[in-house]
Amino acid sequence: GIQVEQSPPDLILQEGANSTLRCNFSDSVNNLQWFHQNPWGQLINLFYIPSGTKQNGRLSATTVATERYSLLYISSSQTTDSGVYFCAVRYYGGSQGNLIFGKGTKLSVKP
Amino acid sequence: DADVTQTPRNRITKTGKRIMLECSQTKGHDRMYWYRQDPGLGLRLIYYSFDVKDINKGEISDGYSVSRQAQAKFSLSLESAIPNQTALYFCATSAKSSSGTSSIGSYNEQFFGPGTRLTVL
Repeated sequence: GIQVEQSPPDLILQEGANSTLRCNFSDSVNNLQWFHQNPWGQLINLFYIPSGTKQNGRLSATTVATERYSLLYISSSQTTDSGVYFCAVRYYGGSQGNLIFGKGTKLSVKP
Repeated sequence: DADVTQTPRNRITKTGKRIMLECSQTKGHDRMYWYRQDPGLGLRLIYYSFDVKDINKGEISDGYSVSRQAQAKFSLSLESAIPNQTALYFCATSAKSSSGTSSIGSYNEQFFGPGTRLTVL
């Protein structure tokens, strides 16, 4: 099956700093999503981005499907950005409709 | 109001008890999923359903069963709970492909409920 690797596993930032989170995947995908899991455990959809670039406020994401990676950019980070960021993909070779999740990047933003 | 709701939000139970987790959605989606998350890990698929008459096992279905009572409702049961089923459980939904068919090649964005934190003692 497909492998989804996220880096870095942990990231500590000072409020106001910028960061880039990376997601590598080992097979062609037809769905890629970024999620933020807040400290209460809720999963919040950030981007649906199987290819291309999208922006939403201070967050943006880019997926280069041909090179099998996606990047999530967080600018001017705030303490409310803390939590775990997951990349999840659905790949062409899969027989099920589910998303395959990476292990996440745990982000801590200090005031 | 939330588009995908789960009940209960928290549950503590004892080994051997039967537990049902419920999921409802108002998004009008045909596809529904149950995932489980263990500490420090991403989510893994338990069961999924592409319509009311379609139920499929996922990666970790042993010890679980599901029921799709209606398009908007998908419940997960633990027939005899055991401690290693302690986890955070998520329901998710997604629409069919934009062409209107359940083409295996077309998968749209998935939306998740708030989760149910289950503890089995």
